[in-house]
Amino acid sequence: EAGVTQSPTHLIKTRGQQATLRCSPISGHTSVYWYQQALGLGLQFLLWYDEGEERNRGNFPPRFSGRQFPNYSSELNVNALELEDSALYLCASSPGTSGGYSYEQYFGPGTRLTVT
Amino acid sequence: GESVGLHLPTLSVQEGDNSIINCAYSNSASDYFIWYKQESGKGPQFIIDIRSNMDKRQGQRVTVLLNKTVKHLSLQIAATQPGDSAVYFCAENSGYSTLTFGKGTMLLVSP
Repeated sequence: EAGVTQSPTHLIKTRGQQATLRCSPISGHTSVYWYQQALGLGLQFLLWYDEGEERNRGNFPPRFSGRQFPNYSSELNVNALELEDSALYLCASSPGTSGGYSYEQYFGPGTRLTVT
Repeated sequence: GESVGLHLPTLSVQEGDNSIINCAYSNSASDYFIWYKQESGKGPQFIIDIRSNMDKRQGQRVTVLLNKTVKHLSLQIAATQPGDSAVYFCAENSGYSTLTFGKGTMLLVSP
């Protein structure tokens, strides 16, 4: 069974540009999560999508946005890039929730975004 | 096992030893906890989870202990191997299916 996949592996942008990161969840999973992992820091929750809807959002500015497609894949968009946006962006998927019950999240390998 | 600033706490052990990695969590209402392992250049890998109605759960070579009274979680790895070298994160369900991660502990296993 294929795991969570992310593209591209690496992305280099200049300050002020926009970045688009992509994620394909494990087959059968409906929930997709996005996290930012800056150097030396833990994972910071960005966004959660389930069944095409944004369900929750972390403490990030509105220039971080995304969407989930009917096939449950997802995009993360970062507008007006700043130097401090340089980080590893991780996508995770889970089977979704049933009555609020949580499931483990399975992570992809990440996209390394570098802003110069 | 919580980080101090930008420097990860590090646990160095010899191959074959048992390792214990600790984590203090913040939300007394959290009902689900997970341990992840992250090797260099890879995404976090699920190791084991535990729900708040349990205080101990065992997997293959790993045991998670949960002490809700002091909001403490630990991961025990038996017979640690060089392949166990990685950064280990604890995570708690902070509500509505989102996870809050600790900053990680680096485990270094020497042969």
